[in-house]
Amino acid sequence: IAGITQAPTSQILAAGRRMTLRCTQDMRHNAMYWYRQDLGLGLRLIHYSNTAGTTGKGEVPDGYSVSRANTDDFPLTLASAVPSQTSVYFCASSDSIHTEAFFGQGTRLTVV
Amino acid sequence: GQQVMQIPQYQHVQEGEDFTTYCNSSTTLSNIQWYKQRPGGHPVFLIQLVKSGEVKKQKRLTFQFGEAKKNSSLHITATQTTDVGTYFCAGDEWETSGSRLTFGEGTQLTVNP
Repeated sequence: IAGITQAPTSQILAAGRRMTLRCTQDMRHNAMYWYRQDLGLGLRLIHYSNTAGTTGKGEVPDGYSVSRANTDDFPLTLASAVPSQTSVYFCASSDSIHTEAFFGQGTRLTVV
Repeated sequence: GQQVMQIPQYQHVQEGEDFTTYCNSSTTLSNIQWYKQRPGGHPVFLIQLVKSGEVKKQKRLTFQFGEAKKNSSLHITATQTTDVGTYFCAGDEWETSGSRLTFGEGTQLTVNP
């Protein structure tokens, strides 16, 4: 079934550790996004990529980095995790800019 | 930068009552999208509005885009328990670098049977 897959589903991480959240889509979508969701704050954009080879900063990029080496994959890396990065992370993709976004199932990350 | 505000944050209704959530943007939007997230789930696309003053319907759901393309609303007629979830609007503001979807905080709807 075509779609967007995130891994892991959940993770407990010690503060200071490095962590990469994986995101893969098989819909050949050009645009991909990473959001974090916190209670009362909705979905906030961390980083985005409008096409393979390019990335951009969203609303809350500090402490996170991304890469877009190919169309399908858009990993999100926390170089040195801090407790404030405890959140639910959603990866999304869209066929092109201005079209509907398809979301992955999310990764629940707890930094202790 | 662009801000998208959504009210109310929470809404509790009895089954059969109507429900409305409102979305306001600080800037003019190229389009607005609406998503629904069931408890424990991920956001799922409902609809996109593009034209000034546009109104679209999906069964009991009615979506409106304001004339100035800065506000929008979602109205559900005669709510059902299956409508439970959080409804998000997402404003799309065209930038030279491409699309930047900005989500509102969401309205969490609970429906009492």
